[in-house]
Parts: sequence; C-alpha cells; structure tokens
Amino acid sequence: DIQMTQSPSSLSASVGDRVTITCRASQSISSYLNWYQQKPGEAPKLLIYTASSLQSGVPSRFSGSGSGTDFTLTISSLQPEDFATYYCQQSDSTLWTFGQGTEVEIK
Amino acid sequence: QVQLVQSGSELKKPGASVKVSCKASGYTFTDYGINWVRQAPGQGLEWMGWINTNTWNPTYAQGFTGRFVFSLDTSVSTALLQISSLKAEDTAVYYCARSNRDALDFWGPGTMVSVSS
Repeated sequence: DIQMTQSPSSLSASVGDRVTITCRASQSISSYLNWYQQKPGEAPKLLIYTASSLQSGVPSRFSGSGSGTDFTLTISSLQPEDFATYYCQQSDSTLWTFGQGTEVEIK
Repeated sequence: QVQLVQSGSELKKPGASVKVSCKASGYTFTDYGINWVRQAPGQGLEWMGWINTNTWNPTYAQGFTGRFVFSLDTSVSTALLQISSLKAEDTAVYYCARSNRDALDFWGPGTMVSVSS
C-alpha cells in the first residue's frame, strides 16, 4: 500500500495566521491527492481534489499544491471555523489511503 | 441535493454480526461508487474499500478482507456493510462516502458500532 505521512501531527495557530500542512507519499502518486477537513462529531468534508482543485463551496482561502510525492495544503488566513483536523488521501492506486491527520488548534 | 443517510447506532456482543446501511438520494445511484471508511474512537480515518454500483464488484483494503462484506440493494439505492465475528477492536464510526473524480465528495453522517460484552 502507498503510505501517506502528514506533518505536523498538530499545530497551534491564531486567527489570521497563514497555515501550511504537508503530506508526503511513499511513492509517486502524480496529482491524485485530496484534502479533507473534519470537525469533532462530524463527517469529513472534501476541500481539495486532485492536489489543487477547490471543491465547490469551499472558501478560496484554502489552496493545495504539489505533485509526485510532496503536497501542501495552505490556509491563507485562518478563521475560527477552520479549527479542525485535516487529512490527506491518495487515490492513485487501486487501494486508497489516508494520512494520519493534522489537528489545527487555537493558540 | 445529494444525501447519504446511514442506519442508526448499534451495540453488539463479540462474535455477533452487524449490517450498516447507506441510502443514497439526489443523484443516479449507479453513476458513482460507494466507499466505506472507519474511524476508531480518537483515531484517524481508514479507507476500508469500495463497491462499484454498476458491476457490484467490491474492492477491500488490507485488513478488511474476510469478515467485511460490501453489498448493494440497487432497487432502493442502498449500499450495505456487513461485519461478522465482531471484535472489540471493531468499535468505531463507519462512514459511507460517494466517490467522484477519484475523491470522496459526499459523506454520510456515520454509524457508531460498539462491540462489548
């Protein structure tokens, strides 16, 4: 299976901060990388698909980049509703896998 | 609007079986696959696999073969997850999610399955 490693595992940030989360694949996955946001007690929500495409209805402060093995999710100006856990997920292989998650906490 | 409605919470004893349902509405059921994702308490997301709603062909991730079965009832646009020989470590929230353009674009609310004697 393709292993997905996110960093950091958690971070503390303030409203208005620029936040960057990285995701590394154990082998090249082209651009088959998606990002999800999950708030406590809720189902995950798709933010970004195929590395950099913004899902309909997602605010433009969210952006994604990367290809091959290294990817980034950026929140340009953190808002109160953005405090959540973020997961990357690869869909390059037949068997999909998630990263372990990055928890974004309030500083 | 697209909706995935899942069955309610379950409390089962070790060794029993459970069936979780996921009823889709708001789109043509056979146009998109249905995936299953597990989340143990306080843990991350695990992709369990998916079922092709056209061919009925299931694909299972490593660790989800044998006791886990994906099936369909296309007459009512419903996907089913059956887990047999339940163990305590199967305690988790189970999500169904629609796959679209190689991503999971709509999710059900999750079904909590608790396994305890």
